[in-house]
Amino acid sequence: DSGVTQTPKHLITATGQRVTLRCSPRSGDLSVYWYQQSLDQGLQFLIQYYNGEERAKGNILERFSAQQFPDLHSELNLSSLELGDSALYFCASSPGHGTGVTGELFFGEGSRLTVL
Amino acid sequence: AQSVTQLGSHVSVSEGALVLLRCNYSSSVPPYLFWYVQYPNQGLQLLLKYTSAATLVKGINGFEAEFKKSETSFHLTKPSAHMSDAAEYFCAVYRGSARQLTFGSGTQLTVLP
Repeated sequence: DSGVTQTPKHLITATGQRVTLRCSPRSGDLSVYWYQQSLDQGLQFLIQYYNGEERAKGNILERFSAQQFPDLHSELNLSSLELGDSALYFCASSPGHGTGVTGELFFGEGSRLTVL
Repeated sequence: AQSVTQLGSHVSVSEGALVLLRCNYSSSVPPYLFWYVQYPNQGLQLLLKYTSAATLVKGINGFEAEFKKSETSFHLTKPSAHMSDAAEYFCAVYRGSARQLTFGSGTQLTVLP
């Protein structure tokens, strides 16, 4: 158990809909990262928040947005969903803001999104 | 830009045989390199990391990796495979300029009885 909690574990929805994925980081971790894992794109970094502020941005679509709340949990909002958005979405956390210097990322078990 | 390339999307070994998973990096500066493992229906877990302290890095579950600058490689090895090692393995590099961990495409390891 990594200590990172993601909900829901599975989600099935239709094209054009909007969903929200939730992540609770490990106790004390200030950084939250979102990754998308799909068969064709592999593991893609979406976005990072550190103590409530956006820290780094990767290949995140404009239809997607995220935020980190004062209690440090984070939400990833996916809107106008398309078939290609079907993927496993991972949240990870770390104590600091620099993963390369401060160490590892701790991953949740992911939220599997299926868009029909 | 820093990136990693994993050679071989699928590797099969017999139980007790040597495990060798290949990773090459491209970087103009000494990189921070990582190996993560993903067991079925689970998130990723750190196996080991290289942060320039020592070229031979030992990780969990008997895995180790050697940083070879001359070959720009960071291959993952384990002397004797166990059935429980069956998983997907990801090499990753930290891109300081972009402040993000970039993963390779992954290698699925199958261990045959």
